[in-house]
Amino acid sequence: DAKTTQPNSMESNEEEPVHLPCNHSTISGTDYIHWYRQLPSQGPEYVIHGLTSNVNNRMASLAIAEDRKSSTLILHRATLRDAAVYYCILTVINAGKSTFGDGTTLTVKP
Amino acid sequence: GAGVSQSPRYKVAKRGQDVALRCDPISGHVSLFWYQQALGQGPEFLTYFQNEAQLDKSGLPSDRFFAERPEGSVSTLKIQRTQQEDSAVYLCASSTRLAGIAGELFFGEGSRLTVL
Repeated sequence: DAKTTQPNSMESNEEEPVHLPCNHSTISGTDYIHWYRQLPSQGPEYVIHGLTSNVNNRMASLAIAEDRKSSTLILHRATLRDAAVYYCILTVINAGKSTFGDGTTLTVKP
Repeated sequence: GAGVSQSPRYKVAKRGQDVALRCDPISGHVSLFWYQQALGQGPEFLTYFQNEAQLDKSGLPSDRFFAERPEGSVSTLKIQRTQQEDSAVYLCASSTRLAGIAGELFFGEGSRLTVL
């Protein structure tokens, strides 16, 4: 399975933008890039996903590099509620499963 | 409720006991996944169902782990002769995703298993 690499932790100030990077240099042409986040004592929550083009939704934006070997999750204005572990994962289309790494722990400072 | 429901939320077992963890997926969701999450780590894939068919069980760590979804809805993860290394949170997720389509996964809150 293609792997992703994320920084272990990042910090942000409240109400500032946050850019969470993810490297996936071994991505295959049909792998989707998904982002999930997990708050303490909860299951992961879907954030956004994309294939080639940049994507926006009410929670965040996803910027995908032209060669698809990296992507960035953008939270436009971080709030204290955004403090969580953020996972960048690749979905193996024909197998159905998604493989999580250890994610990035985002701390938001007031 | 409208979400994925898992029970029990917490389970304490003595080493060697059998346990069964239940997952009620969102109604109509074709796909169901089980993940195991050790403390401080990301979820690890265990197995995947499409309707009642178990399409991928490559992540099950040993033959002590068994999962079923006999009617294509509720699923049970069974762990026989539990060991201390089985202590983890077991997460269930459901999706409208079929192989070839990348839909979002909806996770339950998990079942925390502690083996003494």
